[in-house]
Amino acid sequence: QVQLQESGPGLVRPSGTLALTCAVSGDSVTGDNWWSWVRQPPGKGLEWIGEINHTGSINYNPSLRSRVTISVDMSKNQISLRVNSVTAADTAVYYCARSLVGARCFDFWGQGTLVTVSS
Amino acid sequence: EIVLTQSPGTLSLSPGERATLSCRASQSVYISLAWYQQKPGQAPRLLIFGASSRATGIPDRFSGSGSGTDFTLTISRLEPEDFAVYYCQQYYSWTFGQGTKVEIK
Repeated sequence: QVQLQESGPGLVRPSGTLALTCAVSGDSVTGDNWWSWVRQPPGKGLEWIGEINHTGSINYNPSLRSRVTISVDMSKNQISLRVNSVTAADTAVYYCARSLVGARCFDFWGQGTLVTVSS
Repeated sequence: EIVLTQSPGTLSLSPGERATLSCRASQSVYISLAWYQQKPGQAPRLLIFGASSRATGIPDRFSGSGSGTDFTLTISRLEPEDFAVYYCQQYYSWTFGQGTKVEIK
């Protein structure tokens, strides 16, 4: 069974950097799937942040591209997310998710981790 | 950016009733559309991809239809565990709808 587990600080100061990792088990990040980050502000809807595959090809949400970096570590079988210059608007539950092969929708999700931006 | 508009915002129904949820795209996404179910405190769960294909393990009371700009998710007979929020997602350029809450009447 594929499992994804997000980890990282739950509190980030405004103007700081949010950094999360997603450990993948039951599958390899070197396979044919793409791996994404999706976030959900409290009580609101879902927002796709970006995706990466094992070749290092990356696509970002245009609205976040200037502040976001996604990377893959094949030796640790994990993906990472960094968001720079955070504000309260970046407070959200952050999910990592696996895309179906051939369809860039998400068949496996992590349980999510809440990141709060506050001083 | 392709905008997805879901309707209604809230659907109040009783167990055993039929639920019909709509998702309209601001431009064609062909059949690059998925539906998810989300319960409080949980990650979304993929129900439908390719507009009409059920994901692994999804009961056949869930069905999807449509293409281009107009899509529908139908739950033929609501079970107690189906009361949740439902999101559509287009993966032509990766945006989500704002969600439809299916609540117990």
